[in-house]
Amino acid sequence: GNSVTQMEGPVTLSEEAFLTINCTYTATGYPSLFWYVQYPGEGLQLLLKATKADDKGSNKGFEATYRKETTSFHLEKGSVQVSDSAVYFCALLSSGGYQKVTFGTGTKLQVIP
Amino acid sequence: GAGVSQSPRYKVAKRGQDVALRCDPISGHVSLFWYQQALGQGPEFLTYFQNEAQLDKSGLPSDRFFAERPEGSVSTLKIQRTQQEDSAVYLCASSLKTGDTEAFFGQGTRLTVV
Repeated sequence: GNSVTQMEGPVTLSEEAFLTINCTYTATGYPSLFWYVQYPGEGLQLLLKATKADDKGSNKGFEATYRKETTSFHLEKGSVQVSDSAVYFCALLSSGGYQKVTFGTGTKLQVIP
Repeated sequence: GAGVSQSPRYKVAKRGQDVALRCDPISGHVSLFWYQQALGQGPEFLTYFQNEAQLDKSGLPSDRFFAERPEGSVSTLKIQRTQQEDSAVYLCASSLKTGDTEAFFGQGTRLTVV
């Protein structure tokens, strides 16, 4: 079956530090890949996505590249801000059919001033 | 409404009580999903509706869990005879059409069974 593995948190960084959150996946076919973000007290929001190999998703300074050869979709940001503090979920959507999303366990990011 | 709305936001139930959780999806969205998110975990799929048809309920953990969407809009997730292991955040998501690569999530209902 499908699965997503992401690095455990919490991750604590100083403001303006470089962020990487690792994510690898197992899936049949050609899934779409996502990063969702959950700010304190809020619902899940789609941060970025990539629907095919070598695609790069980007939003709000965050980037992730769909690497089929390494089955990875690592999240990066060059300079984090305090407002980026949240829980980040890597997820995949199987190709075909309806969208039954499989999530990773989440990585909590805390950015300190 | 502008987004997916869930109610109540918080629910405390005594063990053995029945609960009903409501989801109001974005108007016109065909697909509706329920997920369960245990503390410190990612959301886990429960069930899927396409309009009023429940096409997949493979994630429902037991026959105490029941979901419906009778008119293809609002959905209710019902849990009978709640147990402590049912304590979690229940998330609802909707998307415009089948096969969309983006779903919009509600804020969730945090259920605590005591």
